[in-house]
Amino acid sequence: DTAVSQTPKYLVTQMGNDKSIKCEQNLGHDTMYWYKQDSKKFLKIMFSYNNKELIINETVPNRFSPKSPDKAHLNLHINSLELGDSAVYFCASSQTLPSGGETQYFGPGTRLLVL
Amino acid sequence: AQSVTQLDSHVSVSEGTPVLLRCNYSSSYSPSLFWYVQHPNKGLQLLLKYTSAATLVKGINGFEAEFKKSETSFHLTKPSAHMSDAAEYFCVVSDYNAGNMLTFGGGTRLMVKP
Repeated sequence: DTAVSQTPKYLVTQMGNDKSIKCEQNLGHDTMYWYKQDSKKFLKIMFSYNNKELIINETVPNRFSPKSPDKAHLNLHINSLELGDSAVYFCASSQTLPSGGETQYFGPGTRLLVL
Repeated sequence: AQSVTQLDSHVSVSEGTPVLLRCNYSSSYSPSLFWYVQHPNKGLQLLLKYTSAATLVKGINGFEAEFKKSETSFHLTKPSAHMSDAAEYFCVVSDYNAGNMLTFGGGTRLMVKP
């Protein structure tokens, strides 16, 4: 009964390929996120969607394209994969609160290795 | 702009001794502060959070943190370390003026010796 799930858990692919990572949350939250964790464990926000609309888009190459078909799903498509894209990608979700400070719940991560 | 500094990249303690993981933050507004834990090859789990209520916050697994505005600190403590506490810990700030975007510290790896 996983709250935030991601598929696949591991992804090994060649440079230049296109790949997608899927995320689903069953918490009824209105906001979903993608984060990238690099090899030094540093975590940085990539995108945020609220009610299927893009809210935050940090400095991310436009090879990365998020897609939110509905409030419960936020998928990440990556074109022309590069070596530097190797990282762990985390999906998260939260419910907007009027006063802020909402808790984000994280998925288990997708470990992407580009060869 | 908001930022978080975790003052120690690695902390090593013996089982049964106290744990202190230090965190300082910078925020332009009244921040919300969080500690998350990441066990090896796992996702992030919320330990505790502060959102302008009581300054001493109790979390799961015996952890607690104290918000000190004058020191802009939010240090994480536990009276007695357990082997299962060995993990990476992240201090996180969220600012209402920054769209509630989370900004993570660099992480502190806690090692627990038997």
